[in-house]
Amino acid sequence: DGGITQSPKYLFRKEGQNVTLSCEQNLNHDAMYWYRQDPGQGLRLIYYSQIVNDFQKGDIAEGYSVSREKKESFPLTVTSAQKNPTAFYLCASSIRPNTEAFFGQGTRLTVV
Amino acid sequence: AQSVTQPDIHITVSEGASLELRCNYSYGATPYLFWYVQSPGQGLQLLLKYFSGDTLVQGIKGFEAEFKRSQSSFNLRKPSVHWSDAAEYFCAVGVGNTGGFKTIFGAGTRLFVKA
Repeated sequence: DGGITQSPKYLFRKEGQNVTLSCEQNLNHDAMYWYRQDPGQGLRLIYYSQIVNDFQKGDIAEGYSVSREKKESFPLTVTSAQKNPTAFYLCASSIRPNTEAFFGQGTRLTVV
Repeated sequence: AQSVTQPDIHITVSEGASLELRCNYSYGATPYLFWYVQSPGQGLQLLLKYFSGDTLVQGIKGFEAEFKRSQSSFNLRKPSVHWSDAAEYFCAVGVGNTGGFKTIFGAGTRLFVKA
């Protein structure tokens, strides 16, 4: 079945450690996105990529990094520079940048 | 600046009653418009979308939405709510051009359904 897979579903890390969230899609979509979701704030765009080997910062990119070496994969690294990393992270993809997005099931990151 | 406003943080309706969730946007042109639904701890699922053409669009699960350009609105409706519709609903707009395109989400409206 085609879809977007995020792993792991739950992730715990100690403060000061970098952590990488995985996102894989087999939909052959060009565009991929990372969003952060906090209660009452909707979804905020962290990074997006419209094509392999290219990505742009979203509205809240500070403290995060991404790579897009393969069309299927768009991992997100939460670095120690992110001051409040505990959140629900959603990965999405779309056929083209201006079409509807398909979402993964999310990763809940808790930093203690 | 572009923005999406969902005025209602939460709404409670009785099962079988009608539903309308409000969405207003701010953008200089006609955007692409979307409604998504999210169950707790899950990702988002597309309910419906508007790109152009007929301003009344039908979606999945019996939902529909109407684009009103004069009011910059894209309200979601359902004639009869089922208990399984309890979830959080997000309105979103797609803005930009080939040089850069992004989707802006509203803060969401949580729907509670009472028996």
